[in-house]
Amino acid sequence: DTEVTQTPKHLVMGMTNKKSLKCEQHMGHRAMYWYKQKAKKPPELMFVYSYEKLSINESVPSRFSPECPNSSLLNLHLHALQPEDSALYLCASSQGSANSYEQYFGPGTRLTVT
Amino acid sequence: QQPVQSPQAVILREGEDAVINCSSSKALYSVHWYRQKHGEAPIFLMILLKGGEQKGHDKISASFNEKKQQSSLYLTASQLSYSGTYFCGTEKVGNEKLTFGTGTRLTIIP
Repeated sequence: DTEVTQTPKHLVMGMTNKKSLKCEQHMGHRAMYWYKQKAKKPPELMFVYSYEKLSINESVPSRFSPECPNSSLLNLHLHALQPEDSALYLCASSQGSANSYEQYFGPGTRLTVT
Repeated sequence: QQPVQSPQAVILREGEDAVINCSSSKALYSVHWYRQKHGEAPIFLMILLKGGEQKGHDKISASFNEKKQQSSLYLTASQLSYSGTYFCGTEKVGNEKLTFGTGTRLTIIP
């Protein structure tokens, strides 16, 4: 199974809402990532978890809160978002966090903040 | 800083060849190449590690010149399925973060 799954596929939320994005992989990968991608732009790294510990936070605003409950799951909790946070949120995983490993991406959650 | 890719966009007829370049201002440890079709997730193509190697499979290959901090992706005898946006991802020496390049949109027409 070389699949990374993400739920939901689409999410519309107001600026006062609290929601969560979920990512799951069953490849035994020990590194998991959150990326944000705006239209016609490359993915931008947000967070990296290595062995269930947060290893990189790319100065992401605190309204985005990541969580790694176990080695297969990665969540992104959203609170008080702004319209400019609307984007495609991609989750990825790799065997390790060193970049000699390929990253497997999920299909993404398309988020719209109203 | 984000790696710069060239060209930004290219249109080819089926069977033609293409070269996509990726250039960084920083010393690199590795270069990844990914392809993303519209509305889909990026798909891994290959990794090149420091050492100036060239890799390839099928009709897609790539080179990495660490002295010039550049990588090139070569697509030969392009097929319709090659259409999409190609991103290089670079890892700087001493930093495990992958930074994606500006992207190259490739369109293959019959």
